Amino acid sequence: DVKVTQSSRYLVKRTGEKVFLECVQDMDHENMFWYRQDPGLGLRLIYFSYDVKMKEKGDIPEGYSVSREKKERFSLILESASTNQTSMYLCASTGSVNEKLFFGSGTQLSVL
Amino acid sequence: ELKVEQNPLFLSMQEGKNYTIYCNYSTTSDRLYWYRQDPGKSLESLFVLLSNGAVKQEGRLMASLDTKARLSTLHITAAVHDLSATYFCAVDMSTGANSKLTFGKGITLSVRP
Repeated sequence: DVKVTQSSRYLVKRTGEKVFLECVQDMDHENMFWYRQDPGLGLRLIYFSYDVKMKEKGDIPEGYSVSREKKERFSLILESASTNQTSMYLCASTGSVNEKLFFGSGTQLSVL
Repeated sequence: ELKVEQNPLFLSMQEGKNYTIYCNYSTTSDRLYWYRQDPGKSLESLFVLLSNGAVKQEGRLMASLDTKARLSTLHITAAVHDLSATYFCAVDMSTGANSKLTFGKGITLSVRP
């Protein structure tokens, strides 16, 4: 069974902390994505990666960075968390174009 | 910049009746996806539409794509409570062998008795 696993379901952090959100997929997918979801705004793409060690900015990359050292793992990093980064973060992967995205269960991050 | 618009954003449906919701987008694409999200859960794929005129059906839901009009519709037949959820469409504008989806804001459907 296909799986995208996000390391935490809920996370509470303080302003200024460095935050790591981890995502692992077991489908040997090349493409991985990080979205954030906010009420009334839908899903917005933060960063994506088409290959190991490769990354591209999405629509809202400011305040975030990513790391993809291995094909199955894609990490989202908040260098210095701020309250406006409180959100639901969704990781997704897909094998190639024309295939649907498989989503992880999401991480609800609260920055206090 | 690609814009994906869904309307209405909220729809209250009566059980047993038929409804249609819409997704339109601003630039040429022939790849459109529908996802469903239940409250507190992640997104689940419903349909993948890959060409003009594509039609897919699953149970009470039928999705179609008109790439010339840049419009996809999701038709609901005889709504039931289990269809209450938020429905997102997403458009893929990428070229080549990789995907990059842009999502609409979602339409929340609520089915009442």
